Amino acid sequence: DIQMTQSPSSLSASVGDRVTITCRASQSISSYLNWYQQKPGKAPKLLIYAASSLQSGVPSRFSGSGSGTDFTLTISSLQPEDFATYYCQQSYSTITFGQGTRLEIK
Amino acid sequence: EVQLVESGGGLVQPGRSLRLSCAASGFTFDDYAMHWVRQAPGKGLEWVSGISWNSGSIGYADSVKGRFTISRDNAKNSLYLQMNSLRAEDTALYYCAKGTLYGSGSYYDYWGQGTLVTVSS
Repeated sequence: DIQMTQSPSSLSASVGDRVTITCRASQSISSYLNWYQQKPGKAPKLLIYAASSLQSGVPSRFSGSGSGTDFTLTISSLQPEDFATYYCQQSYSTITFGQGTRLEIK
Repeated sequence: EVQLVESGGGLVQPGRSLRLSCAASGFTFDDYAMHWVRQAPGKGLEWVSGISWNSGSIGYADSVKGRFTISRDNAKNSLYLQMNSLRAEDTALYYCAKGTLYGSGSYYDYWGQGTLVTVSS
């Protein structure tokens, strides 16, 4: 299976900060990379699909980039509701998720 | 409005069986693949199994292969997961998720609220 490694595992930031989360695949996955946000006690929510396509209804401060093995999720200006855990997921082959990045308030 | 409602979770002893269900509404169920994704307490997301729109393509994670069986009933807009020979490590919140295809890939645009399975003696 393709291993997905996110960095950092946790991150402290302030409202208004620009934040970047990285996801690296153990082999090339083209652009078959999705990003999800999960808040405590809630189901994951799709943010970005196909590496850079913004899901309908998701604020434009979220963006994704990358292809091959290296991908990033960027939040341009953190809002209070963005503090959550973020997961990447590849669908190039048998689906696997990254281990998650917990974004906390500084 | 798309809704996915899981049921069937509970406390079960190791080695026993459990059947999860997911009732779907608000979309044309038989147009989409469906998946089960689980999350152990305090842990990350793990894909468990997926089934194509017509049940013609089915996949399982290695951790459940040979023990779990996914199925669907398009007439009832329902997805199922038969879980046999349950182990303590199967303890998790099980989510039903709608899969949308793009190119050769897919993403999960809708998720249920999850049903908790606890395997313990």
